Amino acid sequence: QKEVEQDPGPLSVPEGAIVSLNCTYSNSAFQYFMWYRQYSRKGPELLMYTYSSGNKEDGRFTAQVDKSSKYISLFIRDSQPSDSATYLCAMENTGNQFYFGTGTSLTVIP
Amino acid sequence: DVKVTQSSRYLVKRTGEKVFLECVQDMDHENMFWYRQDPGLGLRLIYFSYDVKMKEKGDIPEGYSVSREKKERFSLILESASTNQTSMYLCASRIPGGNQPQHFGDGTRLSIL
Repeated sequence: QKEVEQDPGPLSVPEGAIVSLNCTYSNSAFQYFMWYRQYSRKGPELLMYTYSSGNKEDGRFTAQVDKSSKYISLFIRDSQPSDSATYLCAMENTGNQFYFGTGTSLTVIP
Repeated sequence: DVKVTQSSRYLVKRTGEKVFLECVQDMDHENMFWYRQDPGLGLRLIYFSYDVKMKEKGDIPEGYSVSREKKERFSLILESASTNQTSMYLCASRIPGGNQPQHFGDGTRLSIL
């Protein structure tokens, strides 16, 4: 079983839709959680990071962490064509080791 | 903003060549990382460095080595390139300690012919 599971998609939504991206994990030692956005042929760009359960909001993006269920989500409101990218979740355990999901490919159709 | 710069965006080399990939960060970060990214496999850690002249093997170090002579620069070396090392290579850096995310460069797409 992988440490971090992420549905690869692809996910295709119309412009303006609310997008929900999710990751599950198995190791309760994960303490810090991140979402990265990766455009084609570019490196991952940090979008959100958090260490606590609950919600963290930044503009149209909301990161949600549920440690009891070992489940994290990224919500994108009013999605735009410029949001079309691959989204990676990442987690860090108490030993400073990072684990990444394989990424979900998102296309927002104008 | 953190800037992680990888010296080449695209590189084509031949089997058996020794290949150097360079990475420079401008934020005085102690920790630096090298990953390769392949479709369906995600990011896999090759090597990381906690500080100057320090290095630790990651999950897939075979066929690679690294050098960290200065804090801002972390080099990945393919000792004798093989076709199965064709991949996207990503460098990252971070401040050490918990709740400090990694910041990535734009990657080097390496093709070994």
